[in-house]
Amino acid sequence: SQTIHQWPATLVQPVGSPLSLECTVEGTSNPNLYWYRQAAGRGLQLLFYSVGIGQISSEVPQNLSASRPQDRQFILSSKKLLLSDSGFYLCAWSRDSRAFFGQGTRLTVV
Amino acid sequence: KNEVEQSPQNLTAQEGEFITINCSYSVGISALHWLQQHPGGGIVSLFMLSSGKKKHGRLIATINIQEKHSSLHITASHPRDSAVYICAVRYGGSQGNLIFGKGTKLSVKP
Repeated sequence: SQTIHQWPATLVQPVGSPLSLECTVEGTSNPNLYWYRQAAGRGLQLLFYSVGIGQISSEVPQNLSASRPQDRQFILSSKKLLLSDSGFYLCAWSRDSRAFFGQGTRLTVV
Repeated sequence: KNEVEQSPQNLTAQEGEFITINCSYSVGISALHWLQQHPGGGIVSLFMLSSGKKKHGRLIATINIQEKHSSLHITASHPRDSAVYICAVRYGGSQGNLIFGKGTKLSVKP
C-alpha cells in the first residue's frame, strides 16, 4: 500500500542546533517529493520539491536545505536553527494525480 | 500565478448545522485534495477529486472543473469536526506541484 512516514512528530531544539527531518515513502517509485512549512497562523508554503534522486528545487531562500539520497527518502536539514524556523513541517509525495501527506512535524526552536 | 483561495477563513457553527467550505483555483488542475488538520498539527487526507462528487460518512466533496471550484460539505456537524480544513491542488505536468490554500478554521459548538 502507498504510505508516507515522517518523523519525529514533535521536536524542540535550541537556537543554533542542527536539524534533520526525514520522510520516507512506500508503495511507489519515482514520486515527486515535497517539503512544506506552516508558520503560525499561515498556510502551507512550499520549501523544496524533488522530481528525482539528487534533484532538489528550492522555492524560498532560507536557513534550510533538502536532500534526496534515495528514490523514496527526502531529508530536510539545517546546520544552525533560528527562532524563525519554528513551525509545522509537512512532507508529501505525488505521482500522476495521486498525493499522500505525512503527519507533519511540529518544530519549536527555543 | 497559480493560486488557491479558500473561504471562509474562519467558521463557527452550532452542532448539527450543515457546513460548506469553498475552494477556488486559478488554472487547470489534475487533482484537488481536501485535508483535515487537527490542533496537534497532524494532517489527514479526506478526499482526492478530479471530477464530480465523493462522499464519506458525513463529508461530501464536489468539484466543478469548468468553474475551477470545489466545496467541502459537512452534514450534521459535531464538535469533533472542529479542525482546519485545507484545500490543495495538483497542477498538471510531471513536475506539477501541490499548492495549498491557507485553510478554513472550523469550530463547532455543542
